[in-house]
Amino acid sequence: KQEVTQIPAALSVPEGENLVLNCSFTDSAIYNLQWFRQDPGKGLTSLLLIQSSQREQTSGRLNASLDKSSGRSTLYIAASQPGDSATYLCALPPHYQLIWGAGTKLIIKP
Amino acid sequence: GAGVSQSPSNKVTEKGKDVELRCDPISGHTALYWYRQSLGQGLEFLIYFQGNSAPDKSGLPSDRFSAERTGGSVSTLTIQRTQQEDSAVYLCASSPRSFSRTDTQYFGPGTRLTVL
Repeated sequence: KQEVTQIPAALSVPEGENLVLNCSFTDSAIYNLQWFRQDPGKGLTSLLLIQSSQREQTSGRLNASLDKSSGRSTLYIAASQPGDSATYLCALPPHYQLIWGAGTKLIIKP
Repeated sequence: GAGVSQSPSNKVTEKGKDVELRCDPISGHTALYWYRQSLGQGLEFLIYFQGNSAPDKSGLPSDRFSAERTGGSVSTLTIQRTQQEDSAVYLCASSPRSFSRTDTQYFGPGTRLTVL
């Protein structure tokens, strides 16, 4: 059974810092991995989707990497801004539904 | 068209009452999902509608929960005889294709259900 863990559970850093969020999973037989952002009252927004054949995806200041053999993905946020404050979740589809990590709550201090 | 919409945004009900939550997926999306997020918990899969095929109901926590999708578009999640442990944010998502493990899921803003 796939299990997804995100570390740390919460992170608070000053504006401008580069930071890394971690996601680990127990079953390396994955189809893809997605990173989402959750803002209070605004649902979930997909940030990046990495197919199992890819090693990384980039979108603006965000870079997500995937290492299936070690069961890990990282989300790198460059030059963090207060607007990046949100909860970041990773999710994997073993079938058609997603299995979710508990998320990392990120606070960027101005 | 527009993104996924859900209504109501907030629902407060008394224990034992029935509630209906509505989801309007993105036009043309054939796959529709319901998830639940309890306070301090991760998201939990509830049900998946895949085009005209039978839905995957494997995540429904009890027989008090049911869902339907009419005309391949709007979906309604019904919770009968609500209990306090049903309090959560209920999220709906849609994706373009059924039976696709590679499509991104697009989420609605959720319905916050509070059972008193």
